[in-house]
Amino acid sequence: KAGVTQTPRYLIKTRGQQVTLSCSPISGHRSVSWYQQTPGQGLQFLFEYFSETQRNKGNFPGRFSGRQFSNSRSEMNVSTLELGDSALYLCASTPSGGSLEQFFGPGTRLTVL
Amino acid sequence: AQSVTQLDSQVPVFEEAPVELRCNYSSSVSVYLFWYVQYPNQGLQLLLKYLSGSTLVKGINGFEAEFNKSQTSFHLRKPSVHISDTAEYFCAVSARAGGTSYGKLTFGQGTILTVHP
Repeated sequence: KAGVTQTPRYLIKTRGQQVTLSCSPISGHRSVSWYQQTPGQGLQFLFEYFSETQRNKGNFPGRFSGRQFSNSRSEMNVSTLELGDSALYLCASTPSGGSLEQFFGPGTRLTVL
Repeated sequence: AQSVTQLDSQVPVFEEAPVELRCNYSSSVSVYLFWYVQYPNQGLQLLLKYLSGSTLVKGINGFEAEFNKSQTSFHLRKPSVHISDTAEYFCAVSARAGGTSYGKLTFGQGTILTVHP
């Protein structure tokens, strides 16, 4: 099976712009979680989607949003980018059935100038 | 809410020596416990997990961890490390039940393991 894929791998934006990141989970996985990784704050949970519904959300401002499509692919959007949004954004998918293991993609490296 | 403390930010060790990476957690509910490894410019890979049962858990690449409920710890060990084990290691917890647990891992700050020849 193919692993979790994230596109693009690298992105450079300027302050005030918006950005959309994409995540394709492992085939058959219906849960997708997003994390932000920075040197200062470490790995922080953004949100989780299951069957096109957001089930859980972390403590991030409303500029961070996401959605999930019927094929379980997920996107996250950050509007009005700030310098502090520069980070590695990781997506993870989880199989149904209680294994609880999250399978991570390689991440999208976002740089905000 | 859950929190995770990894007691060492960096651990240098020589090749073939044993290593222990320490992890303590805090939670008002029962949790599941995980160790992940991250190599440069890559995502996270699961090393091992504790869901229930035996408190000694064996994972990939010769790693093992022991869950200690009374000390709220989940330390990671390897009896003999290799150069290829150089990476950053993350301890994580997930609440066992409840809406706030869906898809959410709470991570420690990470421990950089550097194996020297």
